[in-house]
Amino acid sequence: KAGVTQTPRYLIKTRGQQVTLSCSPISGHRSVSWYQQTPGQGLQFLFEYFSETQRNKGNFPGRFSGRQFSNSRSEMNVSTLELGDSALYLCASSSDPNTEAFFGQGTRLTVV
Amino acid sequence: ELKVEQNPLFLSMQEGKNYTIYCNYSTTSDRLYWYRQDPGKSLESLFVLLSNGAVKQEGRLMASLDTKARLSTLHITAAVHDLSATYFCAVDEDNDMRFGAGTRLTVKP
Repeated sequence: KAGVTQTPRYLIKTRGQQVTLSCSPISGHRSVSWYQQTPGQGLQFLFEYFSETQRNKGNFPGRFSGRQFSNSRSEMNVSTLELGDSALYLCASSSDPNTEAFFGQGTRLTVV
Repeated sequence: ELKVEQNPLFLSMQEGKNYTIYCNYSTTSDRLYWYRQDPGKSLESLFVLLSNGAVKQEGRLMASLDTKARLSTLHITAAVHDLSATYFCAVDEDNDMRFGAGTRLTVKP
C-alpha cells in the first residue's frame, strides 16, 4: 500500500513568488492535514481537510491556503512568499479526522 | 488555547539505561499520539492512545495516558543507539492537532 506522497520534495523560490505543494494521501484516506515545521517554531498545524471541506485552520496568515479534490488529493498554496516561510511542509492523511495520521516525506521549501 | 508541553527537550542517555519523556497538555482531549522523527526525515507514528489508562508497548518503548492528569509518558527501557531520534507527542482536539516541541534523544555507547 503506497504511503503519503508529497511533491515536490525540494523547492527554492524567491521572495514575493507563490508556490503550490501537492499531497496524495494513502488510498482510501479522506482526511488530509498540513503542517509547517521550522527549527524555531516546531511543528505547527496549518489546516485540515475532510471530504473536500476545510474543517479546521491554524493560526497562519491568509497567504496560506489549501484545497482538497474529490479524489482526496490536496494542495496548499503560499502566495507572496517571505523568507520566514522557509520550512519543511508536511502532509498527513488518515481514514477519518480522529484516527492515526500517516505523514509524507515533506516538501522542503527555501525562500531566498 | 490548547498547549502541549514536553520535557525534557534534550536527553542524552547511556545505552542500557531507562528514562521517561513527559507530555503535559491543557485540554480534556483523550486522543494523544507519539511520533518519532529521524534527522531529515518525516514523522513515523509510534503510538495512538485513545482513552484514560491506555498503555501501549512496542519493543523498548512504552507509552501511557492519564487523561485526568492530562499527562502522557513515553518510557524507554534499556536504550540502544537506534532509538536516537526526536520524539513528539501530539494532542488532537476538535480536529486541531497540536504538537509538543519534541524531545531530542541521543543514546551514547
